[in-house]
Amino acid sequence: DGGITQSPKYLFRKEGQNVTLSCEQNLNHDAMYWYRQDPGQGLRLIYYSQIVNDFQKGDIAEGYSVSREKKESFPLTVTSAQKNPTAFYLCASSPGRSRTTEAFFGQGTRLTVV
Amino acid sequence: SQQGEEDPQALSIQEGENATMNCSYKTSINNLQWYRQNSGRGLVHLILIRSNEREKHSGRLRVTLDTSKKSSSLLITASRAADTASYFCATDYRAGSYQLTFGKGTKLSVIP
Repeated sequence: DGGITQSPKYLFRKEGQNVTLSCEQNLNHDAMYWYRQDPGQGLRLIYYSQIVNDFQKGDIAEGYSVSREKKESFPLTVTSAQKNPTAFYLCASSPGRSRTTEAFFGQGTRLTVV
Repeated sequence: SQQGEEDPQALSIQEGENATMNCSYKTSINNLQWYRQNSGRGLVHLILIRSNEREKHSGRLRVTLDTSKKSSSLLITASRAADTASYFCATDYRAGSYQLTFGKGTKLSVIP
C-alpha cells in the first residue's frame, strides 16, 4: 500500500527530554512537511523539505529540528527547548515537482508532556 | 501566520440538508484546496481549484472561487452523518515554494 506512515501514534515525554517522531513515505514524493495542530486550531508549519539533504524553517520552527537524509524519511525531533510541546503532530508529503498539488497526510502523533 | 479563515467555525445541520462553508484569504494564490479531518486523524484531500477556475465539482462537493473577493466556498449537498468532520481550506500563496497554509477549520456536525 502506498502512503505515509507516522509513528508512534501516542508519545509521552518528560520535561527536559528530546523525542523524535518518525515519518516515512513510499509515494516517491520530493516534498515533505511537518505541521503542529493545537485543539480547535488549524495547522501550523514547523519545517518542510523539498529535496533530500535540504530543509527550511516554517512558521514555528523554534524548539524543533529535522533531517532529510533519505527521500522516504523526514523525522522530527522535539527538543527540550520547545516550551509547550503538547500537541498533535502531522506529517505530509507532496510530489513537489511542479505547482502545488494535493498533500498526503499521515495519521498523526499525539505528543503529551508528563 | 494563517492565510485562510473559515467561516463559520462550527456548523450543525440535519442529515439530508446542504452544508456551506466559506474561506477567505489575504494574498494572491496559485490554487486553493479543501481538506477534511475526522477527529484525531490526519487530513484527507477533497478538492483543488486553481486560481483561473471559478467552480469545480466532485461527487456531492461543489467548490467556488472568487479571486476578486479572495474567497472560496465548499458546498456539501445531501449531507450524511458520515460527513461529520472538520473542514479546512489551504492556500499556496508563497511564491517559489510548495507550502500550504491552512485556516482554523469549520467543524461540521451532521445529525442523523
